[in-house]
Amino acid sequence: DSGVTQTPKHLITATGQRVTLRCSPRSGDLSVYWYQQSLDQGLQFLIQYYNGEERAKGNILERFSAQQFPDLHSELNLSSLELGDSALYFCASSEGEGGYTFGSGTRLTVV
Amino acid sequence: DQQVKQNSPSLSVQEGRISILNCDYTNSMFDYFLWYKKYPAEGPTFLISISSIKDKNEDGRFTVFLNKSAKHLSLHIVPSQPGDSAVYFCAASPQRYYGQNFVFGPGTRLSVLP
Repeated sequence: DSGVTQTPKHLITATGQRVTLRCSPRSGDLSVYWYQQSLDQGLQFLIQYYNGEERAKGNILERFSAQQFPDLHSELNLSSLELGDSALYFCASSEGEGGYTFGSGTRLTVV
Repeated sequence: DQQVKQNSPSLSVQEGRISILNCDYTNSMFDYFLWYKKYPAEGPTFLISISSIKDKNEDGRFTVFLNKSAKHLSLHIVPSQPGDSAVYFCAASPQRYYGQNFVFGPGTRLSVLP
């Protein structure tokens, strides 16, 4: 157990729907990052939050949004889902120096 | 434009031999580098890091080499074991400061054959 918790582990939904992915960072970590991994692709950075505030944005679609709550958990909202949004979505957290600790991911399948 | 490249999508190595995974980057501002290992159905796990003040960092069977002038780093695994079979991601960042975000390469799938 890495200490970063992501729920749900699997999600199957239809095109046009909206889903929310949840992430609880490691205790004490203030930064939360969201990454997308599509089939045979690397990890694409979506967005970073630090202590409740958006810190950096990557290749995140306008249909996607995220937030980090006062208790530091984060949610990634994906709306108007398309088939191409099917991917693994990873959350990671960090305390500062060094690298990230990743959660085990949420596998989203859009049908 | 990919800032971090891992040009070998896959690599097969015999058990007990050396595995060498390569990574190239284009952004000269990158100053801190990580390697992650990922098994199927799991999140990536941190393996080893190196900052630009060093050209080598070693941790057990894993050694990372950095050649800043060539913008190239490599991960050596010696000896390779079947349990090392995984996807390896190289990641880079401008500096090792609080709450930064890393750019990941596309990964190299290593298969260690018994």
